[in-house]
Amino acid sequence: NAGVTQTPKFQVLKTGQSMTLQCAQDMNHEYMSWYRQDPGMGLRLIHYSVGAGITDQGEVPNGYNVSRSTTEDFPLRLLSAAPSQTSVYFCASSYLGEDTQYFGPGTRLTVL
Amino acid sequence: QQQVKQSPQSLIVQKGGISIINCAYENTAFDYFPWYQQFPGKGPALLIAIRPDVSEKKEGRFTISFNKSAKQFSLHIMDSQPGDSATYFCAAGTGSARQLTFGSGTQLTVLP
Repeated sequence: NAGVTQTPKFQVLKTGQSMTLQCAQDMNHEYMSWYRQDPGMGLRLIHYSVGAGITDQGEVPNGYNVSRSTTEDFPLRLLSAAPSQTSVYFCASSYLGEDTQYFGPGTRLTVL
Repeated sequence: QQQVKQSPQSLIVQKGGISIINCAYENTAFDYFPWYQQFPGKGPALLIAIRPDVSEKKEGRFTISFNKSAKQFSLHIMDSQPGDSATYFCAAGTGSARQLTFGSGTQLTVLP
């Protein structure tokens, strides 16, 4: 049982490049979400999903796309990276109706 | 718009002392109030949580106090230990999907 895994751990991009941050969980959780963490601002919700084929926007969705084709995976796509997207990104998952969310180890992204 | 305000930003406590971190929220629809602990380079992990139908919850050395009328809640760490040194986030959530709104975080340092 690996829990929530994220790849890569670190990534450096140039402005305008695209990339996908991977998130996977092996706990059969229905709910998955993406947060970004910036100094002094806590964690802010980007997108979330309550099940395969269902996604919705959080507090800061602009510049990010998500899809949920399987229960296990919830990738986050940056189509054209901007320096403002430099941040640490965390994926989290939980059972619907249960309170505890499990966070992955994070991906540190730098956009030059 | 910061819906959950957390203070202080940083806190230094002697070993054996009491650490107190405070949060205030605005949205009365919030019905779930967790505290997360985060060590450097790791994802946040749920520490303790409370629902608004109780005023206090204790788990070991950690206690949440909740004041519904004032829309405030706090984390008390009794007998603080150097191993408690971490960043603590309060959060508030609503709905079965538990979309969390986080505070800005408190960096706690417990001196030996």
